[in-house]
Amino acid sequence: AQSVTQPDIHITVSEGASLELRCNYSYGATPYLFWYVQSPGQGLQLLLKYFSGDTLVQGIKGFEAEFKRSQSSFNLRKPSVHWSDAAEYFCAVRGAAGNKLTFGGGTRVLVKP
Amino acid sequence: DSGVTQTPKHLITATGQRVTLRCSPRSGDLSVYWYQQSLDQGLQFLIQYYNGEERAKGNILERFSAQQFPDLHSELNLSSLELGDSALYFCASSVLRGAKGYTFGSGTRLTVV
Repeated sequence: AQSVTQPDIHITVSEGASLELRCNYSYGATPYLFWYVQSPGQGLQLLLKYFSGDTLVQGIKGFEAEFKRSQSSFNLRKPSVHWSDAAEYFCAVRGAAGNKLTFGGGTRVLVKP
Repeated sequence: DSGVTQTPKHLITATGQRVTLRCSPRSGDLSVYWYQQSLDQGLQFLIQYYNGEERAKGNILERFSAQQFPDLHSELNLSSLELGDSALYFCASSVLRGAKGYTFGSGTRLTVV
């Protein structure tokens, strides 16, 4: 069975500082990986996805993520955060032969002025 | 606007009652997925429909059921409601198997009192 772990429940970062959110997945074959962001009271917005190819994936809002098969990780990064990046971030995995997304528990990001 | 429409946005009902949540997928998407988001369980996959047929089932209670109609909209029926069913219910849509990602609606917040 596939699973996703986001080790950090909360992260506080200063505006303008860099951000890295950790994601570890468990899946026996090639995973399809996703990062979503959820602002308060909002739905889930897709930031980026990895299916194959280049392991460094660029997304919207200046985010990027790197797939590391050897570490079963798909960490999300942003070089300089803005106050509007305060939200909850979810990593998700889907097996190549599957349909549904399995989500991690989420990481809530707080941005200090 | 993600293109996935969920109604109603908010629903307050009493224990023991039955409610219906509605989802219209993004134009061109044949798959609809239902997820439940609660504080203690996180984002849990409930059920998937593809072009009117059930394709995958997750942690969906027997008191819950869903269907997808010929016009591809889907309904999630929740009956004999309990306090613990209070949650945010999301619908997502995709082309088959999410090859281009999954688009989420803004959710229906269900409060059972």
